[in-house]
Amino acid sequence: QITLKESGPTLVKPTQTLTLTCTFSGFSLSTSGVGVGWIRQPPGKALEWLALIYWNDDKRYSPSLKSRLTITKDTSKNQVVLTMTNMDPVDTATYYCAHRPLPEGACDYWGQGTLVTVSS
Amino acid sequence: QSALTQPASVSGSPGQSITISCTGTSSDVGGYNYVSWYQQHPGKAPKLMIYDVSNRPSGVSNRFSGSKSGNTASLTISGLQAEDEADYYCSSYTSSSTLEVFGGGTKLTVL
Repeated sequence: QITLKESGPTLVKPTQTLTLTCTFSGFSLSTSGVGVGWIRQPPGKALEWLALIYWNDDKRYSPSLKSRLTITKDTSKNQVVLTMTNMDPVDTATYYCAHRPLPEGACDYWGQGTLVTVSS
Repeated sequence: QSALTQPASVSGSPGQSITISCTGTSSDVGGYNYVSWYQQHPGKAPKLMIYDVSNRPSGVSNRFSGSKSGNTASLTISGLQAEDEADYYCSSYTSSSTLEVFGGGTKLTVL
């Protein structure tokens, strides 16, 4: 059974750096084709891709946020970490991590999400 | 502004069928068979309902079906049930970016 869970601060101040951890079970990020991604959703708004990391350490970033994002993986700990620098109130959103079994495929399992509020 | 265009809302009565459209371009929906549909209930994580245009994951009701014609993908829900009331998002691979693009979402109301 595949599960994912996001963890990190619920409140960050403007200009601070956000670090989120996705801890997963039921699959290995060393299996060929597998990826773990981060998607966010501002309150009342649509989903937005942020970043994705594959089993082979290939990394993909949202073009509009690329300069602020870093995604890494720790295969031994079954974790994927996303950092986002220079947080702004517009970055207030629920942040999800998700499992992708194949490149260019859909995300078949999602974490419950974690709401991050950016406010002074 | 989302890359894929969905109607903001659709509605239907129990037992009826509804279709949600997702319009893109030849660089995404029209060019690849990597369209997915997600269902999201309030306060919950998205759930995959359709992948690769028309495939259903195990456990998803066969009342949900997907199709594509040209640059427009569609999600059809037949035999509407109250539990189908949710937001629905389409997603597609795109050659214009390193990541997929989502639609703006459609709120389905079951009358």
